[in-house]
Amino acid sequence: DAKTTQPPSMDCAEGRAANLPCNHSTISGNEYVYWYRQIHSQGPQYIIHGLKNNETNEMASLIITEDRKSSTLILPHATLRDTAVYYCIVRVAAGSARQLTFGSGTQLTVLP
Amino acid sequence: DAGVIQSPRHEVTEMGQEVTLRCKPISGHNSLFWYRQTMMRGLELLIYFNNNVPIDDSGMPEDRFSAKMPNASFSTLKIQPSEPRDSAVYFCASSSPLFTGELFFGEGSRLTVL
Repeated sequence: DAKTTQPPSMDCAEGRAANLPCNHSTISGNEYVYWYRQIHSQGPQYIIHGLKNNETNEMASLIITEDRKSSTLILPHATLRDTAVYYCIVRVAAGSARQLTFGSGTQLTVLP
Repeated sequence: DAGVIQSPRHEVTEMGQEVTLRCKPISGHNSLFWYRQTMMRGLELLIYFNNNVPIDDSGMPEDRFSAKMPNASFSTLKIQPSEPRDSAVYFCASSSPLFTGELFFGEGSRLTVL
């Protein structure tokens, strides 16, 4: 699976959009981009995933560049409860029972 | 539907003792994963099962660790004998046959080996 690079930490003001970047320059054509987050002392939680089109769900939006070498997770109106470590993961196509490999992620702190 | 259920939530034991962690995956899920999380090493995959069969155990640190999945609704991770360096939070996760990349994690078992 392709390697990802994320900033170690970011701050965001409550109520503002949080934009979390991820670089995955070695991504292959059949690899998806997944985002998970881990709130302190809890298990990781799935947020969203995509292949090449932008995706949106009730939690967040995922913007993938046209060359697919980077992506941005957007939390449109961050709240204090969004403070967590956010993991960007690249892995082969969905449908196969394979593990997810977690990197070190980005610690997002939402400030009041 | 209940999520992934892990027990115990907290375990404190002495070095040399046997430790057994338990996991009940979400009903209908056919893949199960055991992860370990420490400050130093982050989240590491230990082993995962598909249809109760171990697929990849390359992350199991050594022979002291063993995992079983006797049926689709139960898995155990055993450490025997335990050592202080095994202190960590152990997470179990499951995913459905229609795997889209979404793993559902339990709340974790925090193990402290004195």
